[in-house]
Amino acid sequence: DIQMTQSPSSLSASVGDRVTITCRASQSINRYLNWYQQQPGKAPKLLIYAAFSLQSGVPSRFSGSGSGTDFTLTISSLQPEDFATYYCQQSYTTPQTFGQGTKLEIK
Amino acid sequence: QVQLVESGGGVVQPGRSLTLSCAASGFTFSSYAMHWVRQAPGKGLEWVALISHDGSKKYYADSVKGRFTISRDDSKNTLFLQMSSLRAGDTAVYYCAREGYSISWYYFDYWGQGTLVTVSS
Repeated sequence: DIQMTQSPSSLSASVGDRVTITCRASQSINRYLNWYQQQPGKAPKLLIYAAFSLQSGVPSRFSGSGSGTDFTLTISSLQPEDFATYYCQQSYTTPQTFGQGTKLEIK
Repeated sequence: QVQLVESGGGVVQPGRSLTLSCAASGFTFSSYAMHWVRQAPGKGLEWVALISHDGSKKYYADSVKGRFTISRDDSKNTLFLQMSSLRAGDTAVYYCAREGYSISWYYFDYWGQGTLVTVSS
């Protein structure tokens, strides 16, 4: 199975900050990397697919980059509603594995 | 609009069985592969099972293989997860998710609200 490792596991930031979350795959996955946001008690929401394609309706302050094994999710200017947990997921092969999550908290 | 609504969760004793359902609406259900993803309390997301759009291919996580069965009824726009020999480690919120696609890229573009399964004596 492909292992997905996110860093950091948690992050404290302020409204207006620029933040970056990293995801590393245990083997090359091309661009088969998706990012999700999960608010407490809610289902995950797709933000980015294919490493850098923005899902319809997602604000442009969210962006993704990378290919192969190393990927990043960047939020250019944090808004109050962005404080949540973020997961990366590879769709290169089954089982489709997730990173362990990055909890973004208000500083 | 696309909607996925899970049902069937509850408290069940270890070793017993339970079947989850996911009612889909707002899209052509038979055109999409569907997945189950679970989340143990306070933990991350774990992929559980996949069924192809036509039901011909099914895949499972090692942790549930041989105990869980994914199926679909396209006439009722419903996805199922039959769970047997349940263990405490199966306690989780179970989400159904649609596999969206763009060219050759695949992702979970719609999720249900989840249904909680608690395995406890």
